Amino acid sequence: DTGVSQNPRHKITKRGQNVTFRCDPISEHNRLYWYRQTLGQGPEFLTYFQNEAQLEKSRLLSDRFSAERPKGSFSTLEIQRTEQGDSAMYLCAGTQGLKGTGELFFGEGSRLTVL
Amino acid sequence: GENVEQHPSTLSVQEGDSAVIKCTYSDSASNYFPWYKQELGKGPQLIIDIRSNVGEKKDQRIAVTLNKTAKHFSLHITETQPEDSAVYFCAPTDSWGKLQFGAGTQVVVTP
Repeated sequence: DTGVSQNPRHKITKRGQNVTFRCDPISEHNRLYWYRQTLGQGPEFLTYFQNEAQLEKSRLLSDRFSAERPKGSFSTLEIQRTEQGDSAMYLCAGTQGLKGTGELFFGEGSRLTVL
Repeated sequence: GENVEQHPSTLSVQEGDSAVIKCTYSDSASNYFPWYKQELGKGPQLIIDIRSNVGEKKDQRIAVTLNKTAKHFSLHITETQPEDSAVYFCAPTDSWGKLQFGAGTQVVVTP
């Protein structure tokens, strides 16, 4: 158990609907990452936070994706107007330290299926 | 951006044999080189890492070697066991702490 929890674990939605995922890291994790993983592929970087500040957002991410980390604790990832191509596992990870070159502790992911 | 290639994509070994996975990266700013193991239905978990000022690191049956000049690093598993069966990812990391994962290597250890 990494201490990083993600909810919901599974989400099935219809195309065009909005979905929101939540990640709760442990309190020591001042860095928080979001990755997306499709079947048979490695996790793809989406965005990351240092406390409440969003440091970078992947250029591959459309404007339909937005992430927040108010107060530097939990984080949410929202996808608006979902498309079938958004179907994937969304992984959250936390770590300590300012530079982030250390172990990332991943949650078990939130699986999204867009019909 | 970072280009990360991992080989082989699948690896089948007999229990007790060794397994080697190679990762090649393009970003010369990468200075931290972890390997993650992912089991079915779970998030990736760090198994070993190495920093750019070190050439080799070993932890029991697992070792990582780094050739920064050639921009590649490798994972070595000796005396493989069935519980080593999983997908392994390399994730070269830049100084900002952004990991770029490889496509993964499915390792199957047969008894």
